[in-house]
Amino acid sequence: DVKVTQSSRYLVKRTGEKVFLECVQDMDHENMFWYRQDPGLGLRLIYFSYDVKMKEKGDIPEGYSVSREKKERFSLILESASTNQTSMYLCASSPRGRENTIYFGEGSWLTVV
Amino acid sequence: RKEVEQDPGPFNVPEGATVAFNCTYSNSASQSFFWYRQDCRKEPKLLMSVYSSGNEDGRFTAQLNRASQYISLLIRDSKLSDSATYLCVVGGRAGSYQLTFGKGTKLSVIP
Repeated sequence: DVKVTQSSRYLVKRTGEKVFLECVQDMDHENMFWYRQDPGLGLRLIYFSYDVKMKEKGDIPEGYSVSREKKERFSLILESASTNQTSMYLCASSPRGRENTIYFGEGSWLTVV
Repeated sequence: RKEVEQDPGPFNVPEGATVAFNCTYSNSASQSFFWYRQDCRKEPKLLMSVYSSGNEDGRFTAQLNRASQYISLLIRDSKLSDSATYLCVVGGRAGSYQLTFGKGTKLSVIP
């Protein structure tokens, strides 16, 4: 089975803190994604990466950055957390050539106070 | 017009009932279509892909109408374990990275 692991399930951070959300996949997938999900808004794509060191902005990249130094790891960074970034963050991966076959991690619940 | 629209529900149905969810999409160039299931506070998981000819997986039947840009999911003989939120998902052409998610339809199956 594909395994996408998000290391932090529940976090509480203060406004202005730098926050790292880590994601690791074990299926050698080329593509990795970060989404956030909010009630009434559904899933929204923040950033994605189709290869090591490559990144592309999604629909809502403002306030976020990403890092993909290794194929299996895709990190989401909140440089200065704000309360409007309180959300559930979902990491996902997919193989090249089957980009529409996407596998999600269990999610990271971030609360910024 | 929103890219992928779904009735948010909730749909409250008794066990054994048949329930249908609908979804419309705005991008006529979309090439791939899916239904995902998401349990409360869990990640979305693929329920089934949707093919032009329609497809069935046990109690679940998915239909696609490209002319009307409409997707449906039918659940027969509802079980308590079917209670979840069902997400309609639309993808672009082959090789496209972008999936567009509907906001989901919440289903509660009641004993």
